[in-house]
Amino acid sequence: AQKITQTQPGMFVQEKEAVTLDCTYDTSDQSYGLFWYKQPSSGEMIFLIYQGSYDEQNATEGRYSLNFQKARKSANLVISASQLGDSAMYFCAMRGSSGSSNTGKLIFGQGTTLQVKP
Amino acid sequence: SQTIHQWPATLVQPVGSPLSLECTVEGTSNPNLYWYRQAAGRGLQLLFYSVGIGQISSEVPQNLSASRPQDRQFILSSKKLLLSDSGFYLCAWGTGYNEQFFGPGTRLTVL
Repeated sequence: AQKITQTQPGMFVQEKEAVTLDCTYDTSDQSYGLFWYKQPSSGEMIFLIYQGSYDEQNATEGRYSLNFQKARKSANLVISASQLGDSAMYFCAMRGSSGSSNTGKLIFGQGTTLQVKP
Repeated sequence: SQTIHQWPATLVQPVGSPLSLECTVEGTSNPNLYWYRQAAGRGLQLLFYSVGIGQISSEVPQNLSASRPQDRQFILSSKKLLLSDSGFYLCAWGTGYNEQFFGPGTRLTVL
């Protein structure tokens, strides 16, 4: 069975510093995708970054980068130069291939609450 | 560009009352559609997904049902709400391979 684990319920970071949010996953699929979403207090889910299992390069999107270590089955999110607006809940998610073909079903972790201190 | 709408934004319902939450997508055709529920401070649980009109797959046994009467319309329903149905309901659309895009959500409180 597929599973996403986020072991950090809450994190603090000083404004302008970098922070790493941990995510490990479990799957027997050879082809899968990993996603990170941000959920501010308003509740909307904002897509941040995607990493495919066959991508050799770590994904980057502006201040977000994904530290993908396939052998360790980890997909940590790195936020550089933290801003006050980064305070939110962050979710790691995975889309597998077996049993989900083109359905695109996502499995989510429990989330990490990030607070950026001024 | 694509837009996804959900309504209502908030809802307070008594136990045993019916429920109908609506989700519509603009700017895309034949999307995959998804209903998720989020308990307070927790992750998202997939409830239903649909890959086409009239095609509904349920992920967990529950008191809820879903329908897709039109290509870009997804409805979540219940005949009789339970206290445990309280939560934040999110609708999303995707192509099946890449990221999903979420609506603003409906916060449901069952009293």
